[in-house]
Amino acid sequence: GAGVSQSPRYKVAKRGQDVALRCDPISGHVSLFWYQQALGQGPEFLTYFQNEAQLDKSGLPSDRFFAERPEGSVSTLKIQRTQQEDSAVYLCASSSPGTASYGYTFGSGTRLTVV
Amino acid sequence: AQSVTQPDIHITVSEGASLELRCNYSYGATPYLFWYVQSPGQGLQLLLKYFSGDTLVQGIKGFEAEFKRSQSSFNLRKPSVHWSDAAEYFCAVGTYGGATNKLIFGTGTLLAVQP
Repeated sequence: GAGVSQSPRYKVAKRGQDVALRCDPISGHVSLFWYQQALGQGPEFLTYFQNEAQLDKSGLPSDRFFAERPEGSVSTLKIQRTQQEDSAVYLCASSSPGTASYGYTFGSGTRLTVV
Repeated sequence: AQSVTQPDIHITVSEGASLELRCNYSYGATPYLFWYVQSPGQGLQLLLKYFSGDTLVQGIKGFEAEFKRSQSSFNLRKPSVHWSDAAEYFCAVGTYGGATNKLIFGTGTLLAVQP
């Protein structure tokens, strides 16, 4: 597609519920990233894929967070047993090979509210 | 450790006035530096980037930024602000190499434009 698409746009989850957030990167983009943006803060890195390989997951805050990209295109970020502190906007971004230093293209994000 | 500091949380300028948003970074090597803009409910849009060469870089929407290694700064400027520039602005440093490929963001500067 023309841009990075994320769904759902908004998600309200009850504490303890599992959620799955989807990211469709720009077609052909090898690199895919997830960031978490808490209210009033800058985005913080969660994880990075190159094709289907998850090369860096150092930013995932706990083992309740899990990301996958099984076929090297669409990615899913899963949060198990959601907690209130998980409330944030989750941003997905992608970039093409050799151009990571040129900056990423970000999606509009999924706003997760845990009640 | 790499970090980005945006000292101004909130700035208000009059339409037509000049603008400078400050950004200081901490990074051991030659940095890749970026400015992004985020409108309410939207993802991040790349304004401009620096990774080598001319230290004064031009971006979209009439913005420019100057890289000053001696001051570890990458301030964003615009000579005449338009009401549509009201948004949140994020400075970021890119870290690359091996399995690492991520942006480290500052906490952002919220720009308000008054008539």
